[in-house]
Amino acid sequence: ETGVTQTPRHLVMGMTNKKSLKCEQHLGHNAMYWYKQSAKKPLELMFVYNFKEQTENNSVPSRFSPECPNSSHLFLHLHTLQPEDSALYLCASSAGPSQYYNEQFFGPGTRLTVL
Amino acid sequence: GNSVTQMEGPVTLSEEAFLTINCTYTATGYPSLFWYVQYPGEGLQLLLKATKADDKGSNKGFEATYRKETTSFHLEKGSVQVSDSAVYFCALSDTPLGGSQGNLIFGKGTKLSVKP
Repeated sequence: ETGVTQTPRHLVMGMTNKKSLKCEQHLGHNAMYWYKQSAKKPLELMFVYNFKEQTENNSVPSRFSPECPNSSHLFLHLHTLQPEDSALYLCASSAGPSQYYNEQFFGPGTRLTVL
Repeated sequence: GNSVTQMEGPVTLSEEAFLTINCTYTATGYPSLFWYVQYPGEGLQLLLKATKADDKGSNKGFEATYRKETTSFHLEKGSVQVSDSAVYFCALSDTPLGGSQGNLIFGKGTKLSVKP
């Protein structure tokens, strides 16, 4: 495996279910990100982890719970979601905060549908 | 605060037409600028980047020049192909000097459709 992988690629869940999204990066990076991409809205940064520590939480509802056990893996735990949470969830990684630029590498995303 | 504004789509062109997608930014400090592309059903891929004023990023026939005087980073391609149909995102990375962590700030995306 190379780059950034995400599983599952598609997920359908009920509002009372609990599920988890997984992201893995094989690039030796130190920073990982979760984004939400909804139709007709800008890409929304949800969480940022640097060296396994959460460094940013953009006012994300508590029904989304991230976990970063090591620099290569990132999870997004989901529970009691709402239909408006249906979206494409993208994971990304980068070398880490840089004085000059911060090139991010994205996974293919998980298409989530909440019924 | 920092922001990116790009032209709204969708943009529909015929094959071999010239493409311009406008992007302007507002930033403190010295941001780096990026164009990402998202093909149908996929995540975002870095298309090109420029890290300082007057730099030109280029890849796959696409070009963009970092213009500090006009705070712009317009994407151009001389002759588009059907396979270029995708959504294009302009983005900037602010720097720790600006008090941030160097996260990316994206524009809303511009959908390009190229017809044969």
